[in-house]
Formats: sequence, C-alpha cells, structure tokens
Amino acid sequence: GDSVTQMEGPVTLSEEAFLTINCTYTATGYPSLFWYVQYPGEGLQLLLKATKADDKGSNKGFEATYRKETTSFHLEKGSVQVSDSAVYFCALRSGNAGNMLTFGGGTRLMVKP
Amino acid sequence: DTGVSQDPRHKITKRGQNVTFRCDPISEHNRLYWYRQTLGQGPEFLTYFQNEAQLEKSRLLSDRFSAERPKGSFSTLEIQRTEQGDSAMYLCASSATGQANGYTFGSGTRLTVV
Repeated sequence: GDSVTQMEGPVTLSEEAFLTINCTYTATGYPSLFWYVQYPGEGLQLLLKATKADDKGSNKGFEATYRKETTSFHLEKGSVQVSDSAVYFCALRSGNAGNMLTFGGGTRLMVKP
Repeated sequence: DTGVSQDPRHKITKRGQNVTFRCDPISEHNRLYWYRQTLGQGPEFLTYFQNEAQLEKSRLLSDRFSAERPKGSFSTLEIQRTEQGDSAMYLCASSATGQANGYTFGSGTRLTVV
C-alpha cells in the first residue's frame, strides 16, 4: 500500500538557518505530493503541492521538488524564522486509493531566535 | 466562507459513553473526509463521503464508529461505547471534485476518554 516516510524530529535550528526536511514515499501509479503545516492548537494547512514529476511546489519561501527517480519530496527553506516553528507533514494522494491522503508521521521544527 | 468548522473543539467522556462530533464543510465542496490523529503521529484516514454517499471506509473504522452525511452538507461521526484507545484528535476535511489541491482541514475535535 501507499506510505510516506519523514525524517524524525524535532529539528532545532537558529533563525536564518537553512532547513531541509526529508520525505520519501511508496505509491502505485503517479501520486500528487503535498506538504502540510500544523501550528499548535490548529488544523492542518496546505503549504505546497506538486502533481507530477519534476514539478516544484513553493509557498512562503518553502520549496519542494517532486523527484520520481528517488521517490522523494524534500522540503527546503533558505532562511527560517521563529514563526516557522510548527509540525510539518508530507502526504501523498493516489488516485488508486480513492482520493484519500496518506500522511507521514510529521516532523516538528523548532526555530530559536 | 468560514472554512471547515468542527464542533466541539474538545470532548472529555467516560469510557463506555457514546460521543458525536459534527463537521460543517466549505459549502461548495462535495467531498468530505474524516481523519484521526494521535499524539505525535500523522493523520490516518477513516472515511470519505461524496455528497451524501459514504464511498470508502478504513479498516480502522470499527463497528463502534459510524459516520453520516444525510443531506450532503454537514457530517456527523459517532463513537459508541468509547474506549481509552479512542482518545485522539478527529479531523474533518473537505474538497471539491476534480480539485487538484489538497483538502481544507478543520481545526479538529480532541477527544479524551477517561
């Protein structure tokens, strides 16, 4: 079945540091890939997406590139801020799976001033 | 549009009691999803509606769980004879057919079974 594996956290960085959160997946067919962010006490918010190989999703300084050859969708940001502290979830949506999202376990990011 | 609304935000119940949660999706979205999230884990799919039809149910959804969407608008998720293992955040999400974007999630209902 479909699965998503993320690097375990927490990831602790100083403000303005470079961020990478690794995400790899296993899926049948050609899934769409997503990154969601969850701030404390809130629901999940869509951060960015990519629907086909080599697509780059970007939003709020975050980027991720759909790499079919390595089945990866790593999240990057060049300079993190304290306000980026949250839990980040990688997810895939496979058409064969009835449109449901399959999530990774989440990675907590803590950014210190 | 106020997004996806869930009620209540928090629910504490004694083991063995029944609980019901409500989700109001974005009005023009015809698809509605329920997920469960336990502490430190990613959300897990429970069930999915297209309009009023329940099209898919996860094996996680035991016989004690039932979900409805009677008029294709709001949905309810009921858990009968709650167990401590049911303690989790229950998330609702909605989307429109054919939409390439991910879902819009509500803020969730946190259930604690004591």
